[in-house]
Amino acid sequence: DQQVKQNSPSLSVQEGRISILNCDYTNSMFDYFLWYKKYPAEGPTFLISISSIKDKNEDGRFTVFLNKSAKHLSLHIVPSQPGDSAVYFCAARGGGADGLTFGKGTHLIIQP
Amino acid sequence: GAVVSQHPSRVICKSGTSVKIECRSLDFQATTMFWYRQFPKQSLMLMATSNEGSKATYEQGVEKDKFLINHASLTLSTLTVTSAHPEDSSFYICSAGLNSPLHFGNGTRLTVT
Repeated sequence: DQQVKQNSPSLSVQEGRISILNCDYTNSMFDYFLWYKKYPAEGPTFLISISSIKDKNEDGRFTVFLNKSAKHLSLHIVPSQPGDSAVYFCAARGGGADGLTFGKGTHLIIQP
Repeated sequence: GAVVSQHPSRVICKSGTSVKIECRSLDFQATTMFWYRQFPKQSLMLMATSNEGSKATYEQGVEKDKFLINHASLTLSTLTVTSAHPEDSSFYICSAGLNSPLHFGNGTRLTVT
């Protein structure tokens, strides 16, 4: 039973356009959400996070939106750059679990 | 720079042998570290929580006698895969952090032949 879901295994976006990565969760006890970026054979790198008491957090080109009623969050990257090509993991903290609970990831491909 | 260091980055071992993976927090003391495992095209799955000075807490389905965790100091946790089998081949990653976000090591690619 997957508590954090990323339903798009891959996403292709043209350079300069907006990339929108989506994440849904089922556990209403999660209190903190994070996005990580991962290149092959490397550990995940933290990108941006949001507390459950907020609905938006922005950091440079990255913005995370949280819709608690829908149990949905999204990561917006604008403008998308070639270096953004990677796998993006949505993760959640809390819900009675130690550590983080991860989605399966979305492979973002930025096309020139 | 990296705040969590993991070693080795990759290791190949023969079936039946044991492999030790180290995870170090570089700029801070970590009373708790986490060990994850990732199969190809799958999510990172939490294996266990490593607690300094006490026993590790294992997730359901993870064999504690096979995956030995030692958190002997505030900056070092080790994961030993004992009597490794080919099905143990995977990408193992540790993480630590004073508060969220958790920082991750670069992972260890284990291949058991």
